[in-house]
Formats: sequence, structure tokens, C-alpha cells
Amino acid sequence: GIQVEQSPPDLILQEGANSTLRCNFSDSVNNLQWFHQNPWGQLINLFYIPSGTKQNGRLSATTVATERYSLLYISSSQTTDSGVYFCAVPKAAGNKLTFGGGTRVLVKP
Amino acid sequence: DGGITQSPKYLFRKEGQNVTLSCEQNLNHDAMYWYRQDPGQGLRLIYYSQIVNDFQKGDIAEGYSVSREKKESFPLTVTSAQKNPTAFYLCASSKTSGSKDNEQFFGPGTRLTVL
Repeated sequence: GIQVEQSPPDLILQEGANSTLRCNFSDSVNNLQWFHQNPWGQLINLFYIPSGTKQNGRLSATTVATERYSLLYISSSQTTDSGVYFCAVPKAAGNKLTFGGGTRVLVKP
Repeated sequence: DGGITQSPKYLFRKEGQNVTLSCEQNLNHDAMYWYRQDPGQGLRLIYYSQIVNDFQKGDIAEGYSVSREKKESFPLTVTSAQKNPTAFYLCASSKTSGSKDNEQFFGPGTRLTVL
């Protein structure tokens, strides 16, 4: 099946810093989602981005489908950005998501 | 408010008992999914349903069962056959399960602990 790898596994940032998270996947996909899991476990949808670039406030994402990777940019990080960031892609038919292992982000004040 | 609700938020179970986790959505989505998350890990698919009265096994279906009698509801039963049921369970839904309109949205989750 499709493999999804995220890097780095852990990231410690000073408040105000910028960062880039990466998601590599092993096969072509028609969908890619980025999520933020908050300390209470809730998965919050950040981006639905099968290709191209999207921006939402201080966050932006770029997916290069032909090269099988996606990047999530966090600018001017805040303590509320702390948590785990997951990317996920669907397997074949049925829209079954395969998740990467996540990037754990800690933003220090 | 439109969204996905899961209950209970926390659930404790004795070994040998079956328990049922509730998932309800009012988004008029056709497809619904159950995922399991273990500490420090990503999510893994247990079961999914593309339409009412139909469901398929995911990657880790052993020891679990589901039903989809109504479009809005997709309950998950954790049976005594599940060897290590302590985990965080997340329900999701999407408008379709095809290649378009397939963005998945998640409920707040249920934390199950087996005593």
C-alpha cells in the first residue's frame, strides 16, 4: 500500500519563528489533507490540497503531486500552534486515508 | 451547528465486555469512517461505509463491528475479541468516497480504556 512519511518527527520553535514541515508519499494521489491535532485530540482540518499552493492566515501549503511531496509552512509561530501535524492521503477506491506518523511541534514563548 | 459528534468522550471497560461507541453527523455526508490512534502514532482505519446499509473492513477490523442503518449514524462496537482495545477512537465523514468532494472531517474522539 501507499507509504506516507513526515519530517521532521519533532520540532521545537521559539515564538515568532518560521518553519517547514514535509510530507512524502509513495504513489500518485487525488487528494492530500493536512491536519492539526490539538492537545485534546481534536483533528482540525488545515488544508485539502491535491496540488498547487493554498494559504490560510499564517499557514500555507504546497503540494507537488508529480514529485510526490507536500510542504506545510508555519510563519510567525504562536504557542497555540503547538500540537501534532499530520498529512494523509487516500488509498485507491473508497477514500481510505493513510496517515503519516506526524510532526510534533512545540512553540515556546 | 453542523458537525460530527461522538459519545462518550471517555469510556472505561472491563476485560471481556463489549462496548459501543457512538458517531453521529448532520452534514448530510454519504461516507463515514472509524479510525484508531495509539499514543504517539498516526491514525489507522478500522471500518468505513460509503453508503447506508453498506460497510467494508479497513486495515485493522479484527475485533470490531459496525452498522450503518441510518445516513447520520455509524456506531462502532469494540468486542471482547479485540486484544488491545485501549486507544483513542476517531470518527470521520466525507461528502463522497469518490475522487472529488472527498475531504474528511473528524469528530472529537472517544478515549477507551480497558481496566
